[in-house]
Amino acid sequence: ETGVTQTPRHLVMGMTNKKSLKCEQHLGHNAMYWYKQSAKKPLELMFVYSLEERVENNSVPSRFSPECPNSSHLFLHLHTLQPEDSALYLCASSQGHIAGGPRNEQFFGPGTRLTVL
Amino acid sequence: AQSVTQPDIHITVSEGASLELRCNYSYGATPYLFWYVQSPGQGLQLLLKYFSGDTLVQGIKGFEAEFKRSQSSFNLRKPSVHWSDAAEYFCAVGGLGSGYALNFGKGTSLLVTP
Repeated sequence: ETGVTQTPRHLVMGMTNKKSLKCEQHLGHNAMYWYKQSAKKPLELMFVYSLEERVENNSVPSRFSPECPNSSHLFLHLHTLQPEDSALYLCASSQGHIAGGPRNEQFFGPGTRLTVL
Repeated sequence: AQSVTQPDIHITVSEGASLELRCNYSYGATPYLFWYVQSPGQGLQLLLKYFSGDTLVQGIKGFEAEFKRSQSSFNLRKPSVHWSDAAEYFCAVGGLGSGYALNFGKGTSLLVTP
């Protein structure tokens, strides 16, 4: 595997379910990101981990819980979601710490399409 | 606060025709500017980026973009569009002091007709 992979690619869950999204990067990067992509809205940055520490959390509801056990893996744990949480969830990784810096090109995974019933 | 505006939600061009996608940004300092492309069912792929220097930057797949500070714009161009260019295009801005965030525009959906 190369680049950034995400599993599952599609997920349908009820509002009472608990599920997890997984992201893995094979690029040797030290920062990982979760984004939410909803129709007709800009990408929303949810969480950023740098060297396995959460460094940014953009007012995301507590029903989303990230976990970064090491620099290659990132999880997003989901529980008691709402229908408006249905979206494409994108994981990205980068080398370096400052957004937009020359070393900080973000490489994106293909996303997980989440549907909450 | 930094922000990005992509005025065109949808654009349709004929194959072989030229393309220009507009991007306007708001940023207090020198911006770092990016264009990403997203094909259906795929993640975002970086087309090109601008940090400093020459204001005309070349990217992959024959794309280029020009940074115009006076107009706060970073428009994406391609001289001859191919059917495979049909996708969603996103402009993004970041920079020193903005933390980890890239601010993305809402995207422009490109349709290529035969």
